[in-house]
Amino acid sequence: QKEVEQNSGPLSVPEGAIASLNCTYSDRGSQSFFWYRQYSGKSPELIMSIYSNGDKEDGRFTAQLNKASQYVSLLIRDSQPSDSATYLCAVNWPGTSYDKVIFGPGTSLSVIP
Amino acid sequence: GAVVSQHPSRVICKSGTSVKIECRSLDFQATTMFWYRQFPKQSLMLMATSNEGSKATYEQGVEKDKFLINHASLTLSTLTVTSAHPEDSSFYICSASVGTALDEQYFGPGTRLTVT
Repeated sequence: QKEVEQNSGPLSVPEGAIASLNCTYSDRGSQSFFWYRQYSGKSPELIMSIYSNGDKEDGRFTAQLNKASQYVSLLIRDSQPSDSATYLCAVNWPGTSYDKVIFGPGTSLSVIP
Repeated sequence: GAVVSQHPSRVICKSGTSVKIECRSLDFQATTMFWYRQFPKQSLMLMATSNEGSKATYEQGVEKDKFLINHASLTLSTLTVTSAHPEDSSFYICSASVGTALDEQYFGPGTRLTVT
């Protein structure tokens, strides 16, 4: 059974701080990794994708991937109240007949003004 | 770019009736479309993956005769909930990808289904 785990929330950080969101996955064959943000009552929106080991930066967001440790993280610098949302980690891998995706349970982030 | 629409956004139906939800990719051709269900305070649950012109692949535990998926074109997929029951009430979300599940997915705004 392939699994995706995320650090349990809710996570609260003060405005301007760094928020760190973590995700681990069980299948070493996983090939692509995504972070989505979901506001309450809305559908997810893509924040970052990462495919190879190391860091990938996009504005205030940095995704980090370590395939050996089966770990992917998302750092949000200079956190803003508008960043308050649930962050979903998605892990994809090629299947024998079709490619698969599993979403983690999500981590709720609250940025306190 | 990469806009996905869903219709309707909200629907209320009576138990035993069927409901159709449409998912359209507006500015790109979607090789693959996905249907998810999300209950309150829970994560997304993948229901099925559909490719244009072929039968959908359903996840374990999802009844294909109850949740009918038709991927008629590269821009349109439909989910029909047949003989709906109150336990089918949920937030249904579609997503589309220009490739496969290995690629980025772009989500529609979701459809809130309430079965009375």
